[in-house]
Amino acid sequence: GEDVEQSLFLSVREGDSSVINCTYTDSSSTYLYWYKQEPGAGLQLLTYIFSNMDMKQDQRLTVLLNKKDKHLSLRIADTQTGDSAIYFCAESIGGTGGSYIPTFGRGTSLIVHP
Amino acid sequence: EAQVTQNPRYLITVTGKKLTVTCSQNMNHEYMSWYRQDPGLGLRQIYYSMNVEVTDKGDVPEGYKVSRKEKRNFPLILESPSPNQTSLYFCASSRAQGVAGRRNEQFFGPGTRLTVL
Repeated sequence: GEDVEQSLFLSVREGDSSVINCTYTDSSSTYLYWYKQEPGAGLQLLTYIFSNMDMKQDQRLTVLLNKKDKHLSLRIADTQTGDSAIYFCAESIGGTGGSYIPTFGRGTSLIVHP
Repeated sequence: EAQVTQNPRYLITVTGKKLTVTCSQNMNHEYMSWYRQDPGLGLRQIYYSMNVEVTDKGDVPEGYKVSRKEKRNFPLILESPSPNQTSLYFCASSRAQGVAGRRNEQFFGPGTRLTVL
């Protein structure tokens, strides 16, 4: 978890945009992931980005990758109360010598209030 | 349905009484892992296994044991549980080797909430 860092909490108002940030240390990361954990459940893959991309958009979700700064962000537009969850950033390293096994951050609790 | 199952989902026990939390996956994954999740500390890896009979320590292995005798099962054993092992535990699995150009998703079980009194 120490190779991937993210803040523990984020509070937003319903309808606003949420931006969850993550930094990672390994410049050879191949895939970067966002997992979502809803209350009382396990983690599920939400979205991911390949390291040769800068941005990926999927409906209300936008993933931005800044390889130079080793910074990943997840933007949720028009945040709803149903988006309240813990969001985990993860990286994996592919290619020769890479295990492809994701390393997880500690998770950011997103709290959406009316 | 592809899934990771854990049993039990909830367990209350007393200090020193040995317990086992089972984990099973039906996706023929080589890699399996145990995590614990605690408020303010996030997700921390306990042990992982790259394949049958291959296990290794994660970040917080003290007080835990694992075994990997079969590919589908990866039980977590607490020989003498203590109150500081009260936590939410997750088992996860994935392929151990990626395929070039394809992401390697890790699948998680529903969690086991353990309370040690």
